[in-house]
Amino acid sequence: GENVEQHPSTLSVQEGDSAVIKCTYSDSASNYFPWYKQELGKRPQLIIDIRSNVGEKKDQRIAVTLNKTAKHFSLHITETQPEDSAVYFCAARPETSGSRLTFGEGTQLTVNP
Amino acid sequence: DVKVTQSSRYLVKRTGEKVFLECVQDMDHENMFWYRQDPGLGLRLIYFSYDVKMKEKGDIPEGYSVSREKKERFSLILESASTNQTSMYLCASSKDWGEQFFGPGTRLTVL
Repeated sequence: GENVEQHPSTLSVQEGDSAVIKCTYSDSASNYFPWYKQELGKRPQLIIDIRSNVGEKKDQRIAVTLNKTAKHFSLHITETQPEDSAVYFCAARPETSGSRLTFGEGTQLTVNP
Repeated sequence: DVKVTQSSRYLVKRTGEKVFLECVQDMDHENMFWYRQDPGLGLRLIYFSYDVKMKEKGDIPEGYSVSREKKERFSLILESASTNQTSMYLCASSKDWGEQFFGPGTRLTVL
């Protein structure tokens, strides 16, 4: 089955700096890669996703890039703000798995004012 | 607005007890999922269901079972709770291959 590894496990940045979280996946049949944000005490929520026919996708201050050859994808947050502090999870979905996602271990991002 | 609710936010049970966690979604989603969340281990899939009475094992099904008698409701059952099942349990639902919407979670402590 699919295996997703996520790095780093913790990331601390100063407000205004950029943050990058990286994930690698094992199943070359994966074709959908969402990112979820979980604020303290709250439920995970989808913030951005990318499909395998696209190399990059942006939404305001967040962007995701995908390298299918290397089987890795990354989340980029620019101009970080304290409200970006949360746990971020990447996930991958193989074409053959139906609606099932495999999640990474999560990254605790702390943005210091 | 999709709503996924779980029966309890906090639950304390004793070793050997049978535990029921319930999840209800109000958006007619076909797919429902149960995850377990532990620090440093991410979200691990226990079971999922793509239709009423249909279920499939996830990555860590041992010690758990599920029931889906109605489309909107998906139950996770711990037949005989053990201390290593102390965790946060998250339910989610999705339509087709779309976004998964999560419930607020149930923090289960087994003493």
